[in-house]
Formats: sequence, C-alpha cells, structure tokens
Amino acid sequence: DTGVSQDPRHKITKRGQNVTFRCDPISEHNRLYWYRQTLGQGPEFLTYFQNEAQLEKSRLLSDRFSAERPKGSFSTLEIQRTEQGDSAMYLCASSDRQGANTEAFFGQGTRLTVV
Amino acid sequence: GESVGLHLPTLSVQEGDNSIINCAYSNSASDYFIWYKQESGKGPQFIIDIRSNMDKRQGQRVTVLLNKTVKHLSLQIAATQPGDSAVYFCAEKAGYGGATNKLIFGTGTLLAVQP
Repeated sequence: DTGVSQDPRHKITKRGQNVTFRCDPISEHNRLYWYRQTLGQGPEFLTYFQNEAQLEKSRLLSDRFSAERPKGSFSTLEIQRTEQGDSAMYLCASSDRQGANTEAFFGQGTRLTVV
Repeated sequence: GESVGLHLPTLSVQEGDNSIINCAYSNSASDYFIWYKQESGKGPQFIIDIRSNMDKRQGQRVTVLLNKTVKHLSLQIAATQPGDSAVYFCAEKAGYGGATNKLIFGTGTLLAVQP
C-alpha cells in the first residue's frame, strides 16, 4: 500500500446513533494519530497510538469517543450517541519513528455529518 | 482552546509569481515544524519539514524559513502554478522524542493562483 487508508469516506448518521471509523496506516508505521477538522480550521489532535498502546489523548476526546488499535496495525474510532457538534472531518495519520523523518502522513479522512 | 475566526486568510497570486505564506507558532519549546497542503475534500499532504536546529530548508520549488527569535515560520513557493491552489497549514511539535507527539496546526492560509 502507498498511503493511509480511511473508511468510510463519508458517513451520514442520525443524532444519537453510534458510528465507527477505520484507519489503515502505512505498513510498518508504528505511530498512528487521529485528528478532527471542522470547516475553516486546522486539524485538532484527538489521540495517538504507538503500536497498540494509546499513549496520548486530548481533552477533546470526551467519554463518548473511544479509539483502539488492538494489533498495532489498523485503528478504529467510535463515537457513541452522536451529537450535531460531532459533525467534522476525522483524519487519521501515521508516522515511523525509525530514521530521521518523523513527518505524519494523513489519510483522506472520513467526513461525518450528524443530522 | 483558542477562539479562531472562520475566515481564512487568503493570498492571491498570479501564475508564475513567487508566493510567501507566513505562520506564527505559539510554543517556544516546539522543535519540529511541518508545512502541509490541503486541497478541498482531501487530507493534508506533507510538503516540507524543518527542525529547530536549522533556519532554512529547501525542497523542490519550496523553501521553509524558521525564525525562532520571533517564533515565525514561512513557506516560499517559487513559480506558483494553478495546482498550488489549496489551503496551507503550518504545524508544530514540541519535544522531539519527548513528552508529546501531537502536531498543533495553525489556522491555515488559502492560496489562490490566478491564471
């Protein structure tokens, strides 16, 4: 694979429903990040995994949000009891700490619309 | 968090001219910086990065300048092309190899290239 893959690309859901997004990072990248981006804003950090360990979480990540990376490869982000304010683009990124470059490569994102 | 306006700063340039996009970062402890390009409906795309022990780095048609004294970062694009039209974000990371791995993004600048 040549990049970070996210699924689905778009999701429309009714308020109160649960949604789950998937991210497949670049192969062998041990670091995986979730960000949220609203219109006109830069991405905001949500959480970070190194392998399967969730090492950092933002205060933006309320208890309705949960992220997992069970085998240190793909990751899922679940939002329970969605609210209209959850409508945003959810971006996943991965990076490889090996070597000098630590830039994060982003996927195309999952656009969530809560109606 | 900070309150940021919805109106993106816009830079309008003629095709073939050079573009300079500026960014002020907030954390004097940040030691790694990245410029990303984001086209409509897509995830951020890595352009160029720079570490705090450098003040200039060049890529293909792009140059990043870092002024740590005033916490300022700029991206120069030579011979701007219509395909360069996008929103450009600077991002900073504090504590290389240390306490955090999250990127903090600036507001973004919309680059509009006029033919």
